[in-house]
Amino acid sequence: ELKVEQNPLFLSMQEGKNYTIYCNYSTTSDRLYWYRQDPGKSLESLFVLLSNGAVKQEGRLMASLDTKARLSTLHITAAVHDLSATYFCAVRTGANSKLTFGKGITLSVRP
Amino acid sequence: DVKVTQSSRYLVKRTGEKVFLECVQDMDHENMFWYRQDPGLGLRLIYFSYDVKMKEKGDIPEGYSVSREKKERFSLILESASTNQTSMYLCASSSGYLPAFFGQGTRLTVV
Repeated sequence: ELKVEQNPLFLSMQEGKNYTIYCNYSTTSDRLYWYRQDPGKSLESLFVLLSNGAVKQEGRLMASLDTKARLSTLHITAAVHDLSATYFCAVRTGANSKLTFGKGITLSVRP
Repeated sequence: DVKVTQSSRYLVKRTGEKVFLECVQDMDHENMFWYRQDPGLGLRLIYFSYDVKMKEKGDIPEGYSVSREKKERFSLILESASTNQTSMYLCASSSGYLPAFFGQGTRLTVV
């Protein structure tokens, strides 16, 4: 059974500093997704990572995928308040398979 | 833009009632999903469907059923609502390697 683990589950970040959060999964997968959720809102797609070594960047966020280690990282550069949200990773093992989410990491940026 | 529409934002039902949650997507996506989201537990998959009339159990299908008679519509049914089914329910749709797009969510309270 596919398990997706995120850590830490909560991270308090200082404005202007860099941070990295992690997503581990337990079985072979050909696609990994990162989502953002603001309080009281639904999920919004951030990145799709489809191959080993894939790297995607948007603004202060950069996501990468290591399929051999079954690990994805989301790197935050110079954190700002607008990045405060909950970030989920999700993994799918094939075309007609489940989309399994981690529990999410709640990021809070303080001045 | 992809639109995933859930029939209600808020719903209050009585214990033992049969409850229908409806989800409609407008992008001809083959995959549709129902999740419930609870604090500290992340998103848990209830059921998903990869084609009309096809359904697969997710991780927590007990007490739920689904129906997909048309490609654009995926219904979640609570056969006999119980208080432990009070939750936020999220519907999503996807196609191929594209990320899943989520509806706005239905907050269900069972009293």
